[in-house]
Formats: sequence, structure tokens, C-alpha cells
Amino acid sequence: EVQLVESGGGLVQSGGSLRLSCAASGFSFRSYGLNWVRQAPGMGLEWLSYISTSSNSIDYTDSVKGRFTISRDNAKNSLYLQLNSLRDEDTAVYYCARGASATAWLIDYWGLGTLVTVSS
Amino acid sequence: IVLTQSPGTLSLSPGERATLSCRASQSIGNNFLAWYQQKPGQAPRLLIYDASSRATGIPDRFSGSGSGTDFTLTVSRLEPEDFAVYYCQQYGYSPRTFGQGTKVEIK
Repeated sequence: EVQLVESGGGLVQSGGSLRLSCAASGFSFRSYGLNWVRQAPGMGLEWLSYISTSSNSIDYTDSVKGRFTISRDNAKNSLYLQLNSLRDEDTAVYYCARGASATAWLIDYWGLGTLVTVSS
Repeated sequence: IVLTQSPGTLSLSPGERATLSCRASQSIGNNFLAWYQQKPGQAPRLLIYDASSRATGIPDRFSGSGSGTDFTLTVSRLEPEDFAVYYCQQYGYSPRTFGQGTKVEIK
């Protein structure tokens, strides 16, 4: 069974930093691209970032480019998202999500998310 | 690519047919359009990919259609567990984008 478990969320002041982690199990981690997607309270979904299997292809949406950094450790079956220069509008549930095998940009499984609250 | 979903809310009874629309601001190549279902407090679940292919384990009452800029998700007969929010997403271009969602609520 595919499992993605996020951690590292919490309350942080505006301008602060956090590092989110996602522990994966139930599949061959190194064979799949991975994503971070967020959802502000009561709002829709926003794709943030993608990292390929060997980390040689990385992509961000404009609103987080230069502030957030995605990375992965295939030896630890883990995905990370470093969040810097946080703003109030970054308050959201952050989901780790797996890219499908045949079409890497398609998301086929999601974790349950971790809540990040940015307070000014 | 901006995805616009309609209606914002659909009020229906169990057993009725639900038709949800997703319109793209430009043509989506290869019909790289997916539909997800999200229930309160849960992660989204993939229902449909490539505009019309059902994901593993998805009941056949869910179907997707469309191409280019206009896509539709149909639930042929609503079951109680189908009342949820549905999102479309395009994964053909970066940034990948989602629609704003359609809530299917019990009438």
C-alpha cells in the first residue's frame, strides 16, 4: 500500500522558516517523481513544486520560486520542502504527492498533509 | 493555464446524475486532464486521468470526457459517499494548475 506521511508543520512567524518532510513507503521511492501541493484554509489546491527521480529536474510555481526548495533522499525514502521567508498567505495544509509512473506530472497518490500556520 | 469549473455548487439527491464542467484557458495537449475527489479532512483521490481513463479502483459510475479546452466529469448515479468537492487539474504544462472546485452537496 502506497503511504506518504508528511511532518514538520506548525506555527511560525512571518519571515521565518520551516522544513517539511514526507516519509514514503509501499512503493519503489527512487522510481517516482514527487510533488508538493498546498491548500489554504477553505480554499482550493495549489501545485507548488516537482522533483524528478534523480533530482535532475526541479520545477516551482512562481509564487514560491526563490523562497521554497524541494529535495529528496532516495536512500531514506524521503521528500523535503524547505520553506523560507514565510508570509501570511503561505498558511495552508501542505501535501506530499506522488507522480504517476507513466506520466510523471500526473499525481496519483497523496499524503494526508501537514498544517503550516504563518502568523504576523 | 487557467481552469474554470462550473457550477460552483451542485445540489442533487442520491441516485441522480451529476455533470461537472472544467474549461481551460487554452487547449490542453494530449488531454492531460485529471479529476480528483476530496472529502472534508481527507487528501484528494485521483478519479480520472488523461481526460477519460478511470484510475485504479474507481467505480464505473464515474466517467470523464472532453478534449482541447472543454472537459466533463459525470457521475451516473450519485451514491451517498460521492458527495464531496471535485477538482480538475491539467498536468500538460508548468505550472500544473487546478480548477477552483465544484462542491456536490445533498439536496
